[in-house]
Amino acid sequence: EVRLVESGGGLVQPGGSLRLSCAASGFSFSNYAMHWVRQAPGKGLEYVSLISGNGGSTHYANSVKGRFTISRDNSMNTLSLQMGSLRAEDMAVYYCVREGVGAAHDYWGQGTLVTVSS
Amino acid sequence: DIVMTQTPLSSPVTLGQPASISCRSSQSLVHRDGNTYLSWLQQRPGQPPRLLIYKTSNRFSGVPDRFSGSGAGTDFTLKISRVEAEDVGVYYCVQATQFPYTFGQGTKLEIK
Repeated sequence: EVRLVESGGGLVQPGGSLRLSCAASGFSFSNYAMHWVRQAPGKGLEYVSLISGNGGSTHYANSVKGRFTISRDNSMNTLSLQMGSLRAEDMAVYYCVREGVGAAHDYWGQGTLVTVSS
Repeated sequence: DIVMTQTPLSSPVTLGQPASISCRSSQSLVHRDGNTYLSWLQQRPGQPPRLLIYKTSNRFSGVPDRFSGSGAGTDFTLKISRVEAEDVGVYYCVQATQFPYTFGQGTKLEIK
């Protein structure tokens, strides 16, 4: 069974930093690109970042470029998102998502909430 | 960026009746490899999204056959042949043909 479990969310002040993690299990982690997708309260879904299976290729949404860094540890089956210079508009539930069949978002974690407030 | 526009944004439906959601992209979603990377997600209240359809018309594992996807180029449709109570939620189209991947605004399906 594919499982994705996020952690690391919480309350952070504007301008602060936070590191999210996602523990993956039930599949061959290194064979899959992984995404972070976020959802602001009461809003729709927004692509944040993607990393290839071997970690050699990354991509970011313009809204987070230069502030967020995606990484993975295939030996530990873990995906991470280092977030810096956080703004009020970064407040959202952050989902760890597997890119599977047909480049689709085929498995999602339960999400972790990031609150940016003073 | 490719803009994904869904209609309607809200769809009240009677149980047992069909429902249809449209998704239009600002550019063709045909990838240079010949595939069209358009998928549909369902998000039930309080839950993370769930994949329903990938590559326009392929049902994901475990998805009931009352869900179907169709379309080509820039126009796509998700159909539910007979709406059940468990289908209530928000439906999103998403394209993975070009970076950044982009989502539609979402369509809220509710029961009349």
